[in-house]
Amino acid sequence: DGGITQSPKYLFRKEGQNVTLSCEQNLNHDAMYWYRQDPGQGLRLIYYSQIVNDFQKGDIAEGYSVSREKKESFPLTVTSAQKNPTAFYLCASSIAGDQYEQYFGPGTRLTVT
Amino acid sequence: GENVEQHPSTLSVQEGDSAVIKCTYSDSASNYFPWYKQELGKGPQLIIDIRSNVGEKKDQRIAVTLNKTAKHFSLHITETQPEDSAVYFCAAGAGGTSYGKLTFGQGTILTVHP
Repeated sequence: DGGITQSPKYLFRKEGQNVTLSCEQNLNHDAMYWYRQDPGQGLRLIYYSQIVNDFQKGDIAEGYSVSREKKESFPLTVTSAQKNPTAFYLCASSIAGDQYEQYFGPGTRLTVT
Repeated sequence: GENVEQHPSTLSVQEGDSAVIKCTYSDSASNYFPWYKQELGKGPQLIIDIRSNVGEKKDQRIAVTLNKTAKHFSLHITETQPEDSAVYFCAAGAGGTSYGKLTFGQGTILTVHP
């Protein structure tokens, strides 16, 4: 059963703590992406990776970090430097030949208090 | 950078009616325009897309039109059903150094009343 998995579905953290969100795909896609979604807003790109061991900042990378050590995995760390970390986080992937056709995971809702 | 505006923010229709959602974009280099459907608590699902060399594309009850001169594109849903109720997002993607980067509109909450 191919797809993108994100875990956990809900995550709660105290302010000042770093937290890592998981994203795994078994679609054999080369490119992976992280988006942030806030109520009433569209999706905003945090980071993306077109190939293993390489990634680029998106539009709102401040306070976030990523790694891409394996093709199927692209974890996102929300650091304590992110001023408004509470949001719905979405991971997506696409093939290298058509990076526009992006397929999304189910998302992780992060709440920081 | 690219800016995508989406209207309306909410849309309410009766079952069987048509629904139209419109988006405008700012970057004339954008050449890919997908539409996503997002149900509550889930990730967005790609429902249809169009590329800049095509003016219209249809898939059963869903169609998308593109006007590159005016820099706007629209989603048309005919014979709406209650299961079409969801949030719909448009997006625009450019080539070159921005290849793979999608800029999303703010979303439209569509409600189809039985």
